[in-house]
Amino acid sequence: DGGITQSPKYLFRKEGQNVTLSCEQNLNHDAMYWYRQDPGQGLRLIYYSQIVNDFQKGDIAEGYSVSREKKESFPLTVTSAQKNPTAFYLCASSISATSFYEQYFGPGTRLTVT
Amino acid sequence: SQQGEEDPQALSIQEGENATMNCSYKTSINNLQWYRQNSGRGLVHLILIRSNEREKHSGRLRVTLDTSKKSSSLLITASRAADTASYFCATDIQGAQKLVFGQGTRLTINP
Repeated sequence: DGGITQSPKYLFRKEGQNVTLSCEQNLNHDAMYWYRQDPGQGLRLIYYSQIVNDFQKGDIAEGYSVSREKKESFPLTVTSAQKNPTAFYLCASSISATSFYEQYFGPGTRLTVT
Repeated sequence: SQQGEEDPQALSIQEGENATMNCSYKTSINNLQWYRQNSGRGLVHLILIRSNEREKHSGRLRVTLDTSKKSSSLLITASRAADTASYFCATDIQGAQKLVFGQGTRLTINP
């Protein structure tokens, strides 16, 4: 089965703790993305990666970090510096990082920080 | 500020009726995409329309693009209960390597 997996589906953390969200794809896509979605809102881009060992900040990168050591993996770390981390996080991939290709989304991780 | 904005924010219709959602954007684009999101799930790509296209069909979906008005519409014909979801338009910004998503239209199909 080809696709994108995100784990876990639900994640609970205490304030002040860093947490890492997993995203794996077996579509052989070069580009991967992380979005944040708040209730009733659209998606906001956190980070994206066009190729292995390269990534760029999106619109709301503060308080987040990423790595892209393997083509199939793009983990997102939500650090304690993120002021309001509770949200629904979506990972996506596409053949390449241009807008001419559709993005394939994972099922999302709902993070709750108390 | 948002590149793409959907209208209406919410739409409730009876099964079998047609549903129309609109998307307006601010700057020139290369293409525009529509996605569907079922509650609590990831997004699913529906259709991509390029800036030199005016209309595109896929099954019960019809998308139009008017670059002079900087707007697009998504029409779902003969709606079904399974069409209940949020629908998002996503636009690129010419020269940028990313999509910008609107706030979405929440569509409810009543049986």
